[in-house]
Formats: sequence, structure tokens, C-alpha cells
Amino acid sequence: GQQLNQSPQSMFIQEGEDVSMNCTSSSIFNTWLWYKQDPGEGPVLLIALYKAGELTSNGRLTAQFGITRKDSFLNISASIPSDVGIYFCAGQLAGNQFYFGTGTSLTVIP
Amino acid sequence: GAGVSQSPSNKVTEKGKDVELRCDPISGHTALYWYRQSLGQGLEFLIYFQGNSAPDKSGLPSDRFSAERTGGSVSTLTIQRTQQEDSAVYLCASSSASLDEQFFGPGTRLTVL
Repeated sequence: GQQLNQSPQSMFIQEGEDVSMNCTSSSIFNTWLWYKQDPGEGPVLLIALYKAGELTSNGRLTAQFGITRKDSFLNISASIPSDVGIYFCAGQLAGNQFYFGTGTSLTVIP
Repeated sequence: GAGVSQSPSNKVTEKGKDVELRCDPISGHTALYWYRQSLGQGLEFLIYFQGNSAPDKSGLPSDRFSAERTGGSVSTLTIQRTQQEDSAVYLCASSSASLDEQFFGPGTRLTVL
């Protein structure tokens, strides 16, 4: 089936540093979504992207829908301890077809 | 309710027993998804319901897995004759017909002993 390659798999950073993670695919997606999952909870939507080239911010988070529609990145600026968690990208191929990346585990060291 | 709810939050069962997991989607959302998340892994699609259309069952791993959605709202995922490899977190998500974003429930952690 379709696969999204998400990297890095894990990150250990100092509080205050910026973070960047990305997802790539061999398929063209109509929508890119970024989620955060805290331990013991379901993923929570952070940002949704609908158009190629779209750059969207949500507080300290910024995400972009790649021009080729095959990739997306998420940046977190000035990280804080509560940013800890697993971040997932998801791409919508068509209709109900959503595919999720394998996640980036973020650890923020105070 | 305000969000997607799932019950139970945790379920421990013995190998060979049947289990039922419940999902209450956001009111008015016509689409409902079930995913499985194994420890440290991404989300594995299981089944999708959209309105009154026939469900997309292409992700169900075996015929021991089935799901229903009654009245276009609540959904139940049933696993028969559970195996240890069924141990995972089962997540439900819903979305509206006009939006692509999926909103997830907190999940049910299933442990098969």
C-alpha cells in the first residue's frame, strides 16, 4: 500500500531550539495533515493543508504543503517541554484514503 | 458530546475471547474510521464508514475483525477469538462531509493475555 516516509524517527532537543520534521511520498496527495499524540491519548490535529505551496502557521507551528504535492514539513519554533510527544503526518489521496507516517518522537530537554 | 469518545479505555482479555470496542463520533459527522496502532508504530487503517454507503473494509486484517455502524452514528468494532497479536491501541476518528480533517478519540488499549 501507500507509504509516507516520515523523518526523523526521533529527536532529542534542548528547550528553546527549533524543530523540523518532514514527510515524503511517491504519491500526490490532495491534503496534508499534521497531528500530535500524547501518551495514552489519540492524535490531535495541529494543522491542515489543502493547496500545493500553502504555508500555514498555528502559534509556534508552521507547516507547508510541498509544491509537488508529494511532501510536507512541520516546524516548531522555540520548543517548550509540553511539545514532547509523537508527531504524525497524514496525507489524503482521494476520498477516504488517508495514509499516516510512522511518527516522529520529540523529546525536549529542559 | 464535544469530541469523539471511545469505550472502554482499557480492555484486558484472554486469548480466544471476543471483544467489542465502541466509538461515539462527533455529532453530525458522517464519516467514521477505525485504526489500529501497535506499540511505537503508526496508524494502520482498518475500516471506514461514510453515511449509508457500504463500508470500506479493505484494512481489516482477518475475518475475525468486523465493525458495524448503527443509525449512522455509534460504531462497534468486534474482534472474535482474540489473539495476542491483536494487542494494540484501537483508535476511532470521525470527520464531516465538508471537511477532510479527522478528529480522533482517545483510543481503547486492548491487551490479549
